[in-house]
Amino acid sequence: GAGVSQTPSNKVTEKGKYVELRCDPISGHTALYWYRQSLGQGPEFLIYFQGTGAADDSGLPNDRFFAVRPEGSVSTLKIQRTERGDSAVYLCASSGAELTDTQYFGPGTRLTVL
Amino acid sequence: KQEVTQIPAALSVPEGENLVLNCSFTDSAIYNLQWFRQDPGKGLTSLLLIQSSQREQTSGRLNASLDKSSGRSTLYIAASQPGDSATYLCAVNKLGAGSYQLTFGKGTKLSVIP
Repeated sequence: GAGVSQTPSNKVTEKGKYVELRCDPISGHTALYWYRQSLGQGPEFLIYFQGTGAADDSGLPNDRFFAVRPEGSVSTLKIQRTERGDSAVYLCASSGAELTDTQYFGPGTRLTVL
Repeated sequence: KQEVTQIPAALSVPEGENLVLNCSFTDSAIYNLQWFRQDPGKGLTSLLLIQSSQREQTSGRLNASLDKSSGRSTLYIAASQPGDSATYLCAVNKLGAGSYQLTFGKGTKLSVIP
């Protein structure tokens, strides 16, 4: 009965470095979402996958951000040339295919860019 | 653009009190409304999901209501306990394109004092 897992739980990096954040969704969930939560704010949508393809990446802030889900299960969020403003908690969620399905969230990865 | 507002930002109550958290949204064309709980350093846990055709949902000591036409929802917590202390987030799915995206409020931080 595993839930959504995310690794690492914490990531500290220096400005300009490349980082990868991993999400393992609940087994059998076809939909996967990435959100970003800054301090004192609610989560903001980044990208949505249905299966292997990114159905909507309109929330990605710029072209330094990219996400993949090559086999329709695990997803990786990639951030190039990190900036201090990228510091936030990155949350992953998964759900079934229906809009009425609840999104189940992972514990998040706290990214700190020094 | 959909905006979700939660009032109050923080609330402190003595154990045993009943309380109400408020959520408002600017665009009534929603598919679902959800209430989540977030504990420090943890992900989000879905508490209640109300479809747009529904008026309320109940789970244990929690009751959520939805008035779509006025753009409001309330979360009622009966007989509060210290374990209820957390941040409560309200989120909506819009109708139409991008309806899988959740738009969140900033949350209400609840402290229940023993």
